Amino acid sequence: GAVVSQHPSRVICKSGTSVKIECRSLDFQATTMFWYRQFPKQSLMLMATSNEGSKATYEQGVEKDKFLINHASLTLSTLTVTSAHPEDSSFYICSAPKAGSTDTQYFGPGTRLTVL
Amino acid sequence: QQPVQSPQAVILREGEDAVINCSSSKALYSVHWYRQKHGEAPVFLMILLKGGEQKGHEKISASFNEKKQQSSLYLTASQLSYSGTYFCGTEALTGGYQKVTFGTGTKLQVIP
Repeated sequence: GAVVSQHPSRVICKSGTSVKIECRSLDFQATTMFWYRQFPKQSLMLMATSNEGSKATYEQGVEKDKFLINHASLTLSTLTVTSAHPEDSSFYICSAPKAGSTDTQYFGPGTRLTVL
Repeated sequence: QQPVQSPQAVILREGEDAVINCSSSKALYSVHWYRQKHGEAPVFLMILLKGGEQKGHEKISASFNEKKQQSSLYLTASQLSYSGTYFCGTEALTGGYQKVTFGTGTKLQVIP
């Protein structure tokens, strides 16, 4: 089956620093990728839709200047959390549907971000 | 708006059955079902498309009533491995192609 990877799987950083999370589709092309955030004991909340070759679309309430998204190629999207603060600590998960397919979202394994 | 799931939590003994419901306020194109284990990403179980279908494999099946904007996940003869949090994910007819909104979640615990 299709595989999506994320890197890093876990990151701890100091408050005020920026953190970059990569999401790669390993064996298929993804013109669209989705970024989710999940706080403990809560559901996954969609943050933004990453579009290859164009600007990302952000959900209401998500600061686009704080969560920078770049979809550099058909297999790579990056999420950069700028000037991270403890309240940004969360589980960040990306997903990608196969281009041209209406079926199935393939999820990355997630990145656990802890901001001290 | 986030789809609402019921129940919020359920405890089963091995071999018992369970039904998890998902209700949306929007007209839907599809409903997805996922299971998430603690500390891991969600794992895709199945997708049901507009057309009011029912799907399943082995002891896990689901139905989708597009008129009521509801879906149900059926777990029969539950096994310990079924434990986890189940999420429905809905894809609305309007609002973004392949954009999935996750439900509130149902925590399922299967005990021996």
